[in-house]
Amino acid sequence: AQTVTQSQPEMSVQEAETVTLSCTYDTSESNYYLFWYKQPPSRQMILVIRQEAYKQQNATENRFSVNFQKAAKSFSLKISDSQLGDTAMYFCAFMKTSGAGSYQLTFGKGTKLSVIP
Amino acid sequence: GAVVSQHPSWVICKSGTSVKIECRSLDFQATTMFWYRQFPKQSLMLMATSNEGSKATYEQGVEKDKFLINHASLTLSTLTVTSAHPEDSSFYICSAPASFFGGIGVDEQFFGPGTRLTVL
Repeated sequence: AQTVTQSQPEMSVQEAETVTLSCTYDTSESNYYLFWYKQPPSRQMILVIRQEAYKQQNATENRFSVNFQKAAKSFSLKISDSQLGDTAMYFCAFMKTSGAGSYQLTFGKGTKLSVIP
Repeated sequence: GAVVSQHPSWVICKSGTSVKIECRSLDFQATTMFWYRQFPKQSLMLMATSNEGSKATYEQGVEKDKFLINHASLTLSTLTVTSAHPEDSSFYICSAPASFFGGIGVDEQFFGPGTRLTVL
C-alpha cells in the first residue's frame, strides 16, 4: 500500500513571496504519477501540477514547480510570486498506473496555505 | 480537460431516509469512478471504486450495504446512502480517471464539485 505524508498542516506566506510545501511518499511501485491538488473554499479539487515518475525533469506550470526526488521519495511544491488566490488547502496525491488498485488516488492530509496581503 | 458533474450539490435529509448522489462524466466515458468522503478540515478518504457493469469495490471499513454504488452506464455512477444518520453527514466527492489530452491512457483524475450531505 502507498502512503503520502504532508508534514506541514498550515503555512503562511506574504503576497509576492515564494513558499515550498513538502510531501513525501512511500511505495514499491515503479509506475506512478504524483499530483498536487488545490482545494479552495468552494471545495472543488483543482489540479495544480502533475509529475510522471519516469520523468527526471521536474514539472513546472507557470508559478508552480516541483522538486521531485525519486530516490528520496520526495515531491515538494514551490509556489513563486504568491497571490491571494493561492490561499487554499493543498493536497499531495499518489496514483499508481498498473496492477490492482490502478488509478486510485492516495492523498496526504493536506497543507492549509494562507497568503497574507 | 474533461468535466465531471455531481448532483445534488447539497442535500438535507431526515435521519432514517435514503439519499442518492449522482456522478456523471459529461464529455468522456468512464468505466471506473471513485467515491471519496471528506470530513471538515480533513483529507479525502477513498470509499469505493465504481466499475461499469460490475460490483463496486469497497475500502476496508466502508459498509457496502449502507453505501450502495451503481455504475449502470459509461457516464453515470450513483452513490446511495441508505438509512442515513447524522454521522453520515459529510462532503462526498467523485472522480474519474482519464487522459488530460483526451487520449487513451490515464494521466489524471477529474473531480466532481462534491455533494454536501446533512442528516438531521
